[in-house]
Amino acid sequence: EIVLTQSPGTLSLSPGERATLSCRATQSVSSSYLAWYQQKPGQAPRLLIYDASTRATGIPDRFSGSGSGTDFTLTISRLEPEDFAVYYCQQYGSSPLYTFGQGTKLEIK
Amino acid sequence: QVQLQESGPGLVRPSGTLSLTCAVSGGSISSDNWWSWIRQPPGEGLEWIGEIHHSGVTNNNPSLKSRVIMSVDKSTNQLSLKLNSVTAADTAVYYCARNWRYNMDVWGKGTTVAVSS
Repeated sequence: EIVLTQSPGTLSLSPGERATLSCRATQSVSSSYLAWYQQKPGQAPRLLIYDASTRATGIPDRFSGSGSGTDFTLTISRLEPEDFAVYYCQQYGSSPLYTFGQGTKLEIK
Repeated sequence: QVQLQESGPGLVRPSGTLSLTCAVSGGSISSDNWWSWIRQPPGEGLEWIGEIHHSGVTNNNPSLKSRVIMSVDKSTNQLSLKLNSVTAADTAVYYCARNWRYNMDVWGKGTTVAVSS
């Protein structure tokens, strides 16, 4: 099983600042198989990034993804008030087919 | 635009069976997609339960062993999930989602299930 570890657990920043979230895998993950989601309280997750670096439909360009192998990063270039949420990375691979990281909570400082 | 809506009992007794449905609207369940079930215990992260194709082929998370049964009903455009022998650890928000390019691009709003006597 591929385990995804996200860091930090909680990130405290102010609107307008840059956020950098990390996702590290225990085994190499194909870039085609790495995605990021945003989840706000009481809502379902929303797909932000797929193929490690491609923004999903309607996602603002302040969100960007990068990385390869075992290290992936989600960057939010300039935080807007609506960006404060929990972010999950997810990979597709061997059994189980899909696994998620434990999440990074992005909170307002 | 495809939309998903989960439904089912909000309370299940321990050792009982959790039964949920997911109504698919705005598209056909027989399209060339797989459909996933995911759950989220209170205050915790996301756990993939399994996926099903309209042909009936399924893939499950081994962590749930043989407790999971998934099915599709093409006549009603619905998915269903059954989880047997539930315990308090199965208390969670349950989501259905459409798989797309090794991700889940459309999610239902989720339905909360509590396991309690």
